[in-house]
Amino acid sequence: QSVLTQPPSVSGAPGQRVTISCTGSSSNIGAGYDVHWYQQLPGTAPKLLIYGNSNRPSGVPDRFSGSKSGTSASLAITGLQAEDEADYYCQSFDSRLSESYVFGTGTKVTVL
Amino acid sequence: QVQLQESGPGLVKPSGTLSLTCVVSGDSISDYYWTWIRQPPGKGLECIGYIFHTGSTNYNPSLKSRLTISIDTSKNQFSLNLRSVTAADTAVYYCARIQRGWLDYWGQGTPVTVSS
Repeated sequence: QSVLTQPPSVSGAPGQRVTISCTGSSSNIGAGYDVHWYQQLPGTAPKLLIYGNSNRPSGVPDRFSGSKSGTSASLAITGLQAEDEADYYCQSFDSRLSESYVFGTGTKVTVL
Repeated sequence: QVQLQESGPGLVKPSGTLSLTCVVSGDSISDYYWTWIRQPPGKGLECIGYIFHTGSTNYNPSLKSRLTISIDTSKNQFSLNLRSVTAADTAVYYCARIQRGWLDYWGQGTPVTVSS
């Protein structure tokens, strides 16, 4: 069971900006643990998109940005493109659940 | 370039043991934590557990009684054994490297079905 909550779906037209929220609690995001984001294209393994709340690995377009505040985090995609249609997951660490890595419930991004 | 490759049976009988191996190439398995992640059909990601190169482990509490994760540094690989499986263990299983809290390299995933 996921301890980080995300909206099931978001959508936008090409060129628009969409945001995905990731809500945690005082034992994970609120405890100061970093949030990371992954993009999963259909039929493929998740790919690291954002690490350490707001850092992009080499090769990830700057259209993707992340932020964190309190017990929540957000992923923003600006200038939405058809290739961005995928599932997105946030991930953090939880000190209550046997010190385990935890994922968000996942958000499907649809490009209209 | 670091690469991870999962291998193991794609079909396991109920009450049997699911055994998978992840071979790491392009870097030493030492000095990192390594993890197994699974994704049931149409569902989200779940961390099964993780292991350090020293053999120190941490397991998902919901799987702890059935789970063993081990590592073989001489072969640059780590393994998963999940006992007494049921249909609920049907999923795509991924191995991944943990880099200071995030998973930077993933295997392609291997689907496992639990069925008689």
